[in-house]
Amino acid sequence: QWQLQESGPGLMKPSETLSLTCAVSGGAISGSINYWAWIRQSPGKGLEWIGSIYYSGTDYYNPSLKSRVSMSVDTSKNQFSLRLSSLTAADTALYFCARHNSARDPYASGTFGYWGQGTLVTVSS
Amino acid sequence: EIVMTQSPATLSVSPGERATLSCTASQSVGNKIAWYQQKPGQAPRLLIYGASMRATGIPARFSGSGSETEFALTINSLQSEDFAVYYCQQFTDWPPLYTFGQGTKVEIK
Repeated sequence: QWQLQESGPGLMKPSETLSLTCAVSGGAISGSINYWAWIRQSPGKGLEWIGSIYYSGTDYYNPSLKSRVSMSVDTSKNQFSLRLSSLTAADTALYFCARHNSARDPYASGTFGYWGQGTLVTVSS
Repeated sequence: EIVMTQSPATLSVSPGERATLSCTASQSVGNKIAWYQQKPGQAPRLLIYGASMRATGIPARFSGSGSETEFALTINSLQSEDFAVYYCQQFTDWPPLYTFGQGTKVEIK
């Protein structure tokens, strides 16, 4: 059974860069054909997909955030990470990491079957 | 960007009754629609994908229907554990983009 756990600072200041990590257990990221994603949830914007990455490093991002986002994978630690720059109060949200469902199924590949519990990030001066 | 609109925002239902939730896409998404359930303090849980396929371990009382732009999630004989917020989600393959509806809260009547 896959398990995901987010970690990172809970409080950030405007203009800073957020770094979050998702530790994966129950399987090896490098042995999985699934993509890995970051999704956030805020009262104002609801659920918002941020970006996804494959163990090889192939990545793609939400166009609305693309200029400020980067993701990376560390297969030796079985984890993947998110960096979000130029933070504003609008980036205050609960940040989830998640695993895409099987890339082999065209109707499932874009869905998220495993999620972490989420980590709350507040941006405030 | 495809916009997903869910209705109603809140649905009041008595235990044992049926609930029908709607989700409308601003343009055709084929069958690339999923439904999630979220309870307070928890992450969303995948219920339905491909518009009508139940995810592993999801009870048969949950069913999905629809295609193109109009979709529905039906919950038959609501159980106490089904009172939660439900989200629809669409995805496109290229460019890859995943968008969620704003949610429908199913509450006890």
